[in-house]
Amino acid sequence: SAVISQKPSRDICQRGTSLTIQCQVDSQVTMMFWYRQQPGQSLTLIATANQGSEATYESGFVIDKFPISRPNLTFSTLTVSNMSPEDSSIYLCSATTASSYNEQFFGPGTRLTVL
Amino acid sequence: DQQVKQNSPSLSVQEGRISILNCDYTNSMFDYFLWYKKYPAEGPTFLISISSIKDKNEDGRFTVFLNKSAKHLSLHIVPSQPGDSAVYFCAASAVGGSYIPTFGRGTSLIVHP
Repeated sequence: SAVISQKPSRDICQRGTSLTIQCQVDSQVTMMFWYRQQPGQSLTLIATANQGSEATYESGFVIDKFPISRPNLTFSTLTVSNMSPEDSSIYLCSATTASSYNEQFFGPGTRLTVL
Repeated sequence: DQQVKQNSPSLSVQEGRISILNCDYTNSMFDYFLWYKKYPAEGPTFLISISSIKDKNEDGRFTVFLNKSAKHLSLHIVPSQPGDSAVYFCAASAVGGSYIPTFGRGTSLIVHP
């Protein structure tokens, strides 16, 4: 298994600013992901964070808006850039391990409110 | 277009009774199905899964049933306990999708004492 922590747990931001969310895993994992959960919606995959290379983005998400880094096997960041109220959401980091590639471990999420 | 649908946003059950949460999917390429449980202010945690080669998987009080012809799966919780009160997400994945799951919108289960 893997224990995932995220910082910050919540934040209130002004439109036009950017916020970087950190994700730390307590062990080496194979894949790391970033999800968004808007109110009443499902968990939507933003991108797969690739170690040492550019993230793989899902349709509708772009690097300029959601730059992602993954400098090593246990750490990743997601930046929400030039925020608008529509970016208000819960952002979740997740990971899979070599022994549990079918099952994802999730962080507690970061609740973002953009005014 | 939702590929994984949980049509009941909420379900209320009495303690000790059975809870049945339903999930439908549209993509016939899905071959692995999972249920996650989420408490407020926490991330989802894996609960139980089933491969498309099976039609039932049981783990303690939790049983998942898969009906491939109907593209339907359900999660049964027997007996339900107040601590089971949470949001349950159904998810489906495919080998071709590197097992990255597609999630439903979740069903909020409330178990009354």
